[in-house]
Amino acid sequence: AQSVTQLGSHVSVSEGALVLLRCNYSSSVPPYLFWYVQYPNQGLQLLLKYTTGATLVKGINGFEAEFKKSETSFHLTKPSAHMSDAAEYFCAVSEWGGSTLGRLYFGRGTQLTVWP
Amino acid sequence: DAGVIQSPRHEVTEMGQEVTLRCKPISGHNSLFWYRQTMMRGLELLIYFNNNVPIDDSGMPEDRFSAKMPNASFSTLKIQPSEPRDSAVYFCASSLSNTGELFFGEGSRLTVL
Repeated sequence: AQSVTQLGSHVSVSEGALVLLRCNYSSSVPPYLFWYVQYPNQGLQLLLKYTTGATLVKGINGFEAEFKKSETSFHLTKPSAHMSDAAEYFCAVSEWGGSTLGRLYFGRGTQLTVWP
Repeated sequence: DAGVIQSPRHEVTEMGQEVTLRCKPISGHNSLFWYRQTMMRGLELLIYFNNNVPIDDSGMPEDRFSAKMPNASFSTLKIQPSEPRDSAVYFCASSLSNTGELFFGEGSRLTVL
C-alpha cells in the first residue's frame, strides 16, 4: 500500500530564506510523486511531478524536488522564499498500474508561513 | 480553458436535509475523484470513477453518502440525511489517463447546522 508522510505540519521561514518541505513515501511499485499547493479558499494545484527519468524535477514558481529512491524521499525546495509562497503544500504518491489505477495518496500537508 | 467546475461553492443547510454537490470534469478526462477536506482528517478520498464506473468507494463514510456519474461530463455527490459532522470542503478532481495528475475544482464548502 502507498502512504505519504510529511514531516512538520507547519514551517515558517523569512522572506528570501531557503524553503525545505519534507516528504517521505512508501510504495510497493515504482511511484509517481507529486507536490500540490493550495492557496486559501482554492483547490489544489499541481506544483511539480516526478514520473521517470531525471530525479531532480523543476516546477512552477521556482520550486524543485528531488526523488531519492534510497531514502524514499521527495523533498520540496525553493532557494529564496517569497511572501506569495505562503500556502499549504501537499505531497502525494500514485502507483502506476495495479488495482488502484491512478489513485493519489496524499500527505497531511505542510502549512508554509513566510515572514517579511 | 475550463477547469473542473463545482457547484455550489457554498452550502449551508440544517441537519437532516439532503445535500447534492455537483461536478463537471475537464472535457476528455476519464477519471473523476471526490475528496473531502477537514482540519481534523486532512484530505480524504471518498470515491473515484474511471470511465464513469465507480472503482473504489471504500472512502465513503457511510450509507448516507452516494455518488453517481451518469456520463463523462457530470457527477454528483449526495448526502442524505446530512449531519453536522459532514461539514467540510468537498473537492472534485479529474485526470486524463492514470498517472495520478489531478486537476481540482475550487471546492464546495458545506456547513450543516
